[in-house]
Amino acid sequence: DARVTQTPRHKVTEMGQEVTMRCQPILGHNTVFWYRQTMMQGLELLAYFRNRAPLDDSGMPKDRFSAEMPDATLATLKIQPSEPRDSAVYFCASGLVGNPFYGYTFGSGTRLTVV
Amino acid sequence: DQQVKQNSPSLSVQEGRISILNCDYTNSMFDYFLWYKKYPAEGPTFLISISSIKDKNEDGRFTVFLNKSAKHLSLHIVPSQPGDSAVYFCAATPNQAGTALIFGKGTTLSVSS
Repeated sequence: DARVTQTPRHKVTEMGQEVTMRCQPILGHNTVFWYRQTMMQGLELLAYFRNRAPLDDSGMPKDRFSAEMPDATLATLKIQPSEPRDSAVYFCASGLVGNPFYGYTFGSGTRLTVV
Repeated sequence: DQQVKQNSPSLSVQEGRISILNCDYTNSMFDYFLWYKKYPAEGPTFLISISSIKDKNEDGRFTVFLNKSAKHLSLHIVPSQPGDSAVYFCAATPNQAGTALIFGKGTTLSVSS
């Protein structure tokens, strides 16, 4: 059963520290997304990639967030420096462009707490 | 400016009855709509979708209805089961060509036995 793998599952860090979240998309999927879930905003799109190239990162605070895909099996989301308001659950999702469209597969998320 | 709105944060239904979850959207460019289900400590999972060329799509106990003129869609679950208790997210995208999904804030469904 193919799945999107996210690590770590939980992260507690102090304000000002760097945080790196990792995602292994499903093999063969060519589109990777980063979403953030908060109580107030629901699921917000942060960034996404097609064939490893960034397509849209307008949802990310540019001064502190960065997203990359070093290779087809790894996507990373970094926050530097982290702030308490970054506390949320961060989801990675992957999918394959095509018809019919079955949506995207989400990982289990990284719960980030910045104290 | 929320493009996808789920105005009911929560819904409680008795087992065996119908659950109706609603979703409104503002962007007339949206062409494809999806519902995701999310359990605690898990990622959202795809439930059912509908293209704008249709007004209904059915999959077992789940049916999604789309009213394009009203920019409204709904998810019907019949009959509701306790295992359906979860957060349901409505999502939309301008097309199927791999663009990002825009999500609503979710509706928490509680089905009591």
